[in-house]
Amino acid sequence: QQQVKQSPQSLIVQKGGISIINCAYENTAFDYFPWYQQFPGKGPALLIAIRPDVSEKKEGRFTISFNKSAKQFSLHIMDSQPGDSATYFCAASDDYKLSFGAGTTVTVRA
Amino acid sequence: GAGVSQTPSNKVTEKGKYVELRCDPISGHTALYWYRQSLGQGPEFLIYFQGTGAADDSGLPNDRFFAVRPEGSVSTLKIQRTERGDSAVYLCASSSRLKGYTFGSGTRLTVV
Repeated sequence: QQQVKQSPQSLIVQKGGISIINCAYENTAFDYFPWYQQFPGKGPALLIAIRPDVSEKKEGRFTISFNKSAKQFSLHIMDSQPGDSATYFCAASDDYKLSFGAGTTVTVRA
Repeated sequence: GAGVSQTPSNKVTEKGKYVELRCDPISGHTALYWYRQSLGQGPEFLIYFQGTGAADDSGLPNDRFFAVRPEGSVSTLKIQRTERGDSAVYLCASSSRLKGYTFGSGTRLTVV
């Protein structure tokens, strides 16, 4: 049973464009929503995270938007760069255990 | 060390064999986690250690899987009688507080 559903599976964006990845969850006990970036052959690395008491969090070119009533959250990558080409995972947690989405492979064309 | 270290980085084994995967967490991190990542999927929780004890092993798929952390630092994930379906990347992570995970690069296990 997948607790976090992520879409799209993959996307291609031009350099300088905006990448948007969406996630939805069912468990209302989740209180921590991180996004991870993973390059081939590497483990996931924490990119940015949000808690449900705020609707948006921005760190550099990365922004999380959170809609508690809809149980959805999304990652926006502004001014996408070729170095952003990677697989992105959303996740959710209510304690120590992370439930991950299936991942989105982002390709940024130069 | 500076990060979470996992060895070996790759392991090929024959079906039915026993394997051990090692994880060296960040020094001082009391919490340690094992996850399994199948091709094209997100990581899935296997087990969580707080100190030396397994606080939650509910993600271990069956009794062929076992993990230890005898001194509260290094952990070993052990898989008996390996099956082709065990092929995946096994990720270890550690943290000093509940939410701040740092993952290692993983061990890619291939069962042939």
